[in-house]
Amino acid sequence: NAGVMQNPRHLVRRRGQEARLRCSPMKGHSHVYWYRQLPEEGLKFMVYLQKENIIDESGMPKERFSAEFPKEGPSILRIQQVVRGDSAAYFCASSRDEKLFFGSGTQLSVL
Amino acid sequence: DAKTTQPPSMDCAEGRAANLPCNHSTISGNEYVYWYRQIHSQGPQYIIHGLKNNETNEMASLIITEDRKSSTLILPHATLRDTAVYYCIVRVDRDDKIIFGKGTRLHILP
Repeated sequence: NAGVMQNPRHLVRRRGQEARLRCSPMKGHSHVYWYRQLPEEGLKFMVYLQKENIIDESGMPKERFSAEFPKEGPSILRIQQVVRGDSAAYFCASSRDEKLFFGSGTQLSVL
Repeated sequence: DAKTTQPPSMDCAEGRAANLPCNHSTISGNEYVYWYRQIHSQGPQYIIHGLKNNETNEMASLIITEDRKSSTLILPHATLRDTAVYYCIVRVDRDDKIIFGKGTRLHILP
């Protein structure tokens, strides 16, 4: 049973471009969580999704950020018009019961 | 905001037991205590969780005080690979998000 898969592992974007981060949950998991970790800082909750539903987006920035978890396919975290402050590690987790399992993350670098 | 308090860092000699404390004095009756760790640059890893009773698995033991206001994570025989940031978290149930605090940075000394 493969773990939570995130791609790409590293993503480089120039200011103003769009970044798309993908997360494939573990087989049978219907809940997906996204977290952001700025350099030398802790993990910050962004959004919690179930299939086709956003359950909790209290940690999402009000502008430029969006997330989806369609009926088919991976969950996508989309950042429009990236700025240097968006440079961070973005982690996805999935769960089916009490435990969250995390992926290896996507390191976003904005030039 | 995180509902737990942990020391910012701890040292432990390799081969000895590492005991990581956590205070959660405002924990509610239906909140679980979870422990995760993050090894440098990797995604967080689940360790153990419990409600009232002490728990043990292949990675660690979790000791929860009777009043549930604090707990201790025990790594019985620490190795260099246990060097990580350890997070103590309280969480209501499976449908609740996990809020990470600052955790304890554990250094295992050779």
